[in-house]
Amino acid sequence: GNSVTQMEGPVTLSEEAFLTINCTYTATGYPSLFWYVQYPGEGLQLLLKATKADDKGSNKGFEATYRKETTSFHLEKGSVQVSDSAVYFCALTPYGGATNKLIFGTGTLLAVQP
Amino acid sequence: GAVVSQHPSRVICKSGTSVKIECRSLDFQATTMFWYRQFPKQSLMLMATSNEGSKATYEQGVEKDKFLINHASLTLSTLTVTSAHPEDSSFYICSARDRKLAERVFKNIQYFGAGTRLSVL
Repeated sequence: GNSVTQMEGPVTLSEEAFLTINCTYTATGYPSLFWYVQYPGEGLQLLLKATKADDKGSNKGFEATYRKETTSFHLEKGSVQVSDSAVYFCALTPYGGATNKLIFGTGTLLAVQP
Repeated sequence: GAVVSQHPSRVICKSGTSVKIECRSLDFQATTMFWYRQFPKQSLMLMATSNEGSKATYEQGVEKDKFLINHASLTLSTLTVTSAHPEDSSFYICSARDRKLAERVFKNIQYFGAGTRLSVL
């Protein structure tokens, strides 16, 4: 079946530190991959996405590369800020395009300290 | 950007009562809305897909008589947890797909509400 595994949190970093949140997936074919972010008290927001192997999604300084060979989509940021504190969800949509389903990981809480 | 409003944000109720949760798309029309449930330290699990003007499609293992979904307009879907029991306590999240985006661009972008924390005593 299709599933997403992401590292457990919380991840606590100091401001300007380098961030990596690991995400691996299990799926047939070529799923589309996403990172969503949820700030306190708000809904999930799409942070970035990639739809085929070797694509790099990027937004707000965050990046993730679709690695088919390692079935991974790790989220990275070179220098985190306090305002990046949130819960980050890795997700996939199964291959096929017609499906609406988003399959999520468990979410990783990031806490950035000044 | 697109905004989805979910109400209430938190509800506490007695066992046996019914609870209604609303999900509204504020600045776009949503032919399709989704309802998710999240247990502590677990993934968001899709419960059902709600299509405007038709019956919802439930995921395997989700009781349709327990979780009633109505999508009567292009901007509103409701989830009613009927005869709630403590095991129904959870975090419920809705999302909506922008009809115009779905027609033209990448189909699977969903806009999420902030969620509803349900506690059944």
